[in-house]
Amino acid sequence: RKEVEQDPGPFNVPEGATVAFNCTYSNSASQSFFWYRQDCRKEPKLLMSVYSSGNEDGRFTAQLNRASQYISLLIRDSKLSDSATYLCVVRISNDMRFGAGTRLTVKP
Amino acid sequence: EADIYQTPRYLVIGTGKKITLECSQTMGHDKMYWYQQDPGMELHLIHYSYGVNSTEKGDLSSESTVSRIRTEHFPLTLESARPSHTSQYLCASSETRAVGKAFFGQGTRLTVV
Repeated sequence: RKEVEQDPGPFNVPEGATVAFNCTYSNSASQSFFWYRQDCRKEPKLLMSVYSSGNEDGRFTAQLNRASQYISLLIRDSKLSDSATYLCVVRISNDMRFGAGTRLTVKP
Repeated sequence: EADIYQTPRYLVIGTGKKITLECSQTMGHDKMYWYQQDPGMELHLIHYSYGVNSTEKGDLSSESTVSRIRTEHFPLTLESARPSHTSQYLCASSETRAVGKAFFGQGTRLTVV
């Protein structure tokens, strides 16, 4: 079983839609959690950290459920520019573990 | 923009050649990483470093070696390139107290023919 699992998608949604991604992790010792965004043929970039109480950054909301060991990312009012692959990242001790990513395509 | 740079951006090389992929960062980060990523696939950790003179193998060492003689520089060397090494190689760095908040270079796309 992979340490960090994501639905690969693709998620194809119209502009303005709300879309949510989930990510599950297997190691209960995981300490902190992040979402990264990776555009096609580019490097990953940090989108946001995920805090225990949940957190919001504009149209993006991240949630953490430690009991069920999953994190989520909600994108509201999706834009064409949101099209990318979203990577779930889990910190375990001094290591980062990446999920394989969920691909999102926002269509006009 | 992150201050982490990789060269070359693209490289096509013959089987059996020795190559070094360069990575430099100007943020003073102690931790640096090398990842390998095939198209549409997840990142695999190849090597990482906690600081000068510290290097560790990741899950996928891919017959490569690294060195960390200076904080800002973390080169990756393939002693004998093979077609199976064809991939994208991504270098990243982070502060020791902020593991998880990493900055990535633009990557090196390596093709071994």
